[in-house]
Amino acid sequence: QVQLQESGPGLVKPSGTLSLTCAVSGGSISSSYRWTWVRQSPGKGLEWIGEISHSGYTNYNPSLKSRVSISVDKTKNLFYLNLASVTAADTAVYYCARDLDGSGWLHDQWGQGTLVTVSS
Amino acid sequence: EIVMTQSPATLSVSPGESATLSCRASQSVSRDLAWYQQKPGQAPRLLIYGPSTRATGIPARFGGSGSGTEFTLTISSLQSEDFAVYYCQQYNNWPQTFGQGTKVEIK
Repeated sequence: QVQLQESGPGLVKPSGTLSLTCAVSGGSISSSYRWTWVRQSPGKGLEWIGEISHSGYTNYNPSLKSRVSISVDKTKNLFYLNLASVTAADTAVYYCARDLDGSGWLHDQWGQGTLVTVSS
Repeated sequence: EIVMTQSPATLSVSPGESATLSCRASQSVSRDLAWYQQKPGQAPRLLIYGPSTRATGIPARFGGSGSGTEFTLTISSLQSEDFAVYYCQQYNNWPQTFGQGTKVEIK
């Protein structure tokens, strides 16, 4: 069974860039799935951030599109999240996930999540 | 984007009883509705989609129904491990969106 593990700084300064890595094990990131980032904050609940397909196609939430970038390193079985110009509103638990069937809609494998706090 | 509204916010249920959770969409999402369960300190877990197909390993006491804008998750004979927060998610319109959750607590 595939496993996902998020990593990255737990504290980011306002106006800085949030950068997270998701390590995929037990399966290839080149397989026909979509790899997703979702965040969870007390104020906004669960929010879909965006996704990347095995072919590198990306899709972002319009509310974040100007600030977000998702990329993949197939050689290392990793995918990444970068969120620029962060504010306190970006404080959340960030999850990486894999979808059920390649559609990108249903997320059946999740990392355990990593808390990122935006504060000076 | 489509707004998903869940009710009630909190549901108090005794073990062995059943629970009915509701999810309403601000516009029709056809049958493209999923439910997730989340326990404290854990990631969400996919329970049901489509909106009545149970994900792999999900017990038959979990049932989903509905279409259009009104959906229901029913948990029959609640077990101790079922006390958690439940989220609905629509994936008919982009971007996919989630409800604010219903907490099922022990009465």
